Amino acid sequence: GAVVSQHPSWVICKSGTSVKIECRSLDFQATTMFWYRQFPKQSLMLMATSNEGSKATYEQGVEKDKFLINHASLTLSTLTVTSAHPEDSSFYICSARDGGIGSYNEQFFGPGTRLTVL
Amino acid sequence: AQSVTQPDIHITVSEGASLELRCNYSYGATPYLFWYVQSPGQGLQLLLKYFSGDTLVQGIKGFEAEFKRSQSSFNLRKPSVHWSDAAEYFCAVGASQAGTALIFGKGTTLSVSS
Repeated sequence: GAVVSQHPSWVICKSGTSVKIECRSLDFQATTMFWYRQFPKQSLMLMATSNEGSKATYEQGVEKDKFLINHASLTLSTLTVTSAHPEDSSFYICSARDGGIGSYNEQFFGPGTRLTVL
Repeated sequence: AQSVTQPDIHITVSEGASLELRCNYSYGATPYLFWYVQSPGQGLQLLLKYFSGDTLVQGIKGFEAEFKRSQSSFNLRKPSVHWSDAAEYFCAVGASQAGTALIFGKGTTLSVSS
């Protein structure tokens, strides 16, 4: 089946630094990737949608200058948390849509990245 | 507004007993429905999905779900729960249109007692 990886799986950083999280589709081309955020004991909240080769579309309330998303290729999207602060600590999960499977909107999820900002 | 409601925040079931997790949705278009399971600190694993056709869908690990359009529901069931089924379960709805994200419910935590 379609596999999505994320790197790193967990990261600890100091307040004020930037952190980059990679999301890769390993065996398919992902025309669209989604970034979700999950706080402890809560559901997944969509942060942004990124389409290969174009700017990401951010959900209301998500700061695009703080959460930089790049989808430069059909197999890689990156989320950079700039000037991270403790309130950015969360579980970040990406998903990717296989553009090769007809028109159906099936998404495959990565294993998530745990970010802790000290 | 589009939304997914999972009425039960936490359910405890005895091992070997049957399970039903409820999911109701509100969606303007034809919904595509999903159930995912998440173990602590892990990503999401797809249990099953409904696109069209037979309203009773079978998934992995012995799970099944039934789509009831009249009730806007997509409840997840398992006839006999195993201790390893203890996890967080999310119901999600999406559109058929490519490039649209899924909307998730708040999740139901399943505990299994021996």
